[in-house]
Amino acid sequence: EVQLVESGGGLVQPGGSLRLSCAASGFTFSSYWMSWVRQAPGKGLEWVANIQQDGSEKYYVDSVKGRFTISRDNAKNSLYLQMNSLRAEDTAVYYCAREGSKQLLSWLDYWGQGTLVTVSS
Amino acid sequence: DIVMTQSPDSLAVSLGERATINCKSSQSVLYSSNNKNYLAWYQQKPGQSPKLLIYWASIRESGVPDRFSGSGSGTDFTLTISSLQAEDVAVYYCQQYYNTPYTFGQGTKLEIK
Repeated sequence: EVQLVESGGGLVQPGGSLRLSCAASGFTFSSYWMSWVRQAPGKGLEWVANIQQDGSEKYYVDSVKGRFTISRDNAKNSLYLQMNSLRAEDTAVYYCAREGSKQLLSWLDYWGQGTLVTVSS
Repeated sequence: DIVMTQSPDSLAVSLGERATINCKSSQSVLYSSNNKNYLAWYQQKPGQSPKLLIYWASIRESGVPDRFSGSGSGTDFTLTISSLQAEDVAVYYCQQYYNTPYTFGQGTKLEIK
């Protein structure tokens, strides 16, 4: 069974940093592109970033470029999102998701339960 | 960035009736080289993570009931629930994966009339 379990969320002050983790199991993690998607309270879904199987290609939404870094450790079956210079508008539930086609440009076929990040003083 | 616009924002349908949700992209998401539409649909029930329903605009994900169907091409797409069940109450999102950044529609909230 495919499982994605996020952790690392919490309350952080504006300008602060946080590192999210996603532990994957039930599939060959190193064979899939992976994404982070966020959802502000009561709002819709916003794709944040994705990363290629070997970590060599990464893409970001403009609003997080230069502040967020996506990475992965295939030996640990883990995906990460390093978030720096956090702003109030980054407050959201952050989901880890698997890209289903094993290629760039894919649907998201499995999602974690999400971890809440709150940016507030 | 490709803008995805769903209509309506909310919808109330009687049990057993048909529900139709529309999604329009600001540019075509049909890739001419493979004739595929890079469009997916998701269902998000209250308090849950999104769940994939449809990809390539019309391919139902494994395990998704056949009352859910997707159609359309180019810039105009539709998600249809042929006979609404109580468990279908949710917010539905379309998503384009034609290019990055992937973008989602604003969501359509489906309720029982």
